[in-house]
Amino acid sequence: DTAVSQTPKYLVTQMGNDKSIKCEQNLGHDTMYWYKQDSKKFLKIMFSYNNKELIINETVPNRFSPKSPDKAHLNLHINSLELGDSAVYFCASSKDGNEQFFGPGTRLTVL
Amino acid sequence: AQSVTQLGSHVSVSEGALVLLRCNYSSSVPPYLFWYVQYPNQGLQLLLKYTTGATLVKGINGFEAEFKKSETSFHLTKPSAHMSDAAEYFCAIEGIQGAQKLVFGQGTRLTINP
Repeated sequence: DTAVSQTPKYLVTQMGNDKSIKCEQNLGHDTMYWYKQDSKKFLKIMFSYNNKELIINETVPNRFSPKSPDKAHLNLHINSLELGDSAVYFCASSKDGNEQFFGPGTRLTVL
Repeated sequence: AQSVTQLGSHVSVSEGALVLLRCNYSSSVPPYLFWYVQYPNQGLQLLLKYTTGATLVKGINGFEAEFKKSETSFHLTKPSAHMSDAAEYFCAIEGIQGAQKLVFGQGTRLTINP
């Protein structure tokens, strides 16, 4: 039973391309998040959505656009990829602001 | 603004020895505090959390942490290390209760020596 799933697990692409990462949770949670973990393992929140509405939007380039088609999904679209976007991106979800459950991560490598 | 500092990016202990991972926080409001563990190539898993009430919190896998307001600390301990404890550990704070925004420390890599 996968709680929070992400696809793809690995993503290798060229600079300038546009790519998407998908996230789905089957926990019935109402809030979903995207985090970025850099090469030094530092984790930082990017966005969060509650019931399909954006509630947290950290200082992230507008090349990054989250989309939540429904409560169970939060996708991350990245335009014009840059070398500095290389990182591991984690999706997470929670209910009523309680414990956040994390997905397995998507390792993005921009060449 | 809330922040978390983990002292020591790398801690190495022998199997069976005490594990102590240090976390200090800064917050202008009563914080919620968390410890997460990340095994290689995996996502984060919650070990334990402090919200209110008892300051000694017990978590999974034999870990516990004590919230000390006077020291602004939330150190993680385990009496006897096991090889399977080798992982990256993250302390996190939710400084505005209910804001659902976790701020993480820089992580501590725990190595267990046989």
